[in-house]
Amino acid sequence: GENVEQHPSTLSVQEGDSAVIKCTYSDSASNYFPWYKQELGKRPQLIIDIRSNVGEKKDQRIAVTLNKTAKHFSLHITETQPEDSAVYFCAAPTDSWGKLQFGAGTQVVVTP
Amino acid sequence: EPEVTQTPSHQVTQMGQEVILRCVPISNHLYFYWYRQILGQKVEFLVSFYNNEISEKSEIFDDQFSVERPDGSNFTLKIRSTKLEDSAMYFCASSEWDGTGELFFGEGSRLTVL
Repeated sequence: GENVEQHPSTLSVQEGDSAVIKCTYSDSASNYFPWYKQELGKRPQLIIDIRSNVGEKKDQRIAVTLNKTAKHFSLHITETQPEDSAVYFCAAPTDSWGKLQFGAGTQVVVTP
Repeated sequence: EPEVTQTPSHQVTQMGQEVILRCVPISNHLYFYWYRQILGQKVEFLVSFYNNEISEKSEIFDDQFSVERPDGSNFTLKIRSTKLEDSAMYFCASSEWDGTGELFFGEGSRLTVL
């Protein structure tokens, strides 16, 4: 099955700086990589995803890059704002699209 | 915007008691899931459900767990005899299809087993 490793576990950045979170996966057949943001006590919410036929995807201040050869994908948040503070989870499917294997999460703290 | 709804938001129960967590998936979605998140830990897959049967389950989903779609709208998770380690947030999710469909999560049901 899929194994997803996520680093770092915590990330503290100054407002306006960039944040980068990296994940590696084990199953070379995986072809869909979502990122979820979870605020304290709330549900995980999809913020961006990427499929294996592209290497990068951007949505305003958020971007995801995928390196299929190295089996890793990264989340980039630019111009961070205090409301970006949350736990971010990467994920990859195991066997089927809906059965996601989540990373351990990254606690991002953006300080003003 | 349609969303997945879950009840109760919080349930406290005694060890050994049965618990039923309820979910109403988004109406045109065909695939349903339960995930679990122990406090401070990652989200873990429990089970997926399609066409009125379980399509996949994890090793966490043992004989104490069951799922059911009793009518056209509800999707339930039952824990037959709760244990302390079942204390967690349980998230229901649904997707339109099991291909490129995004998973939509409910707000979660927090289960506390005493």
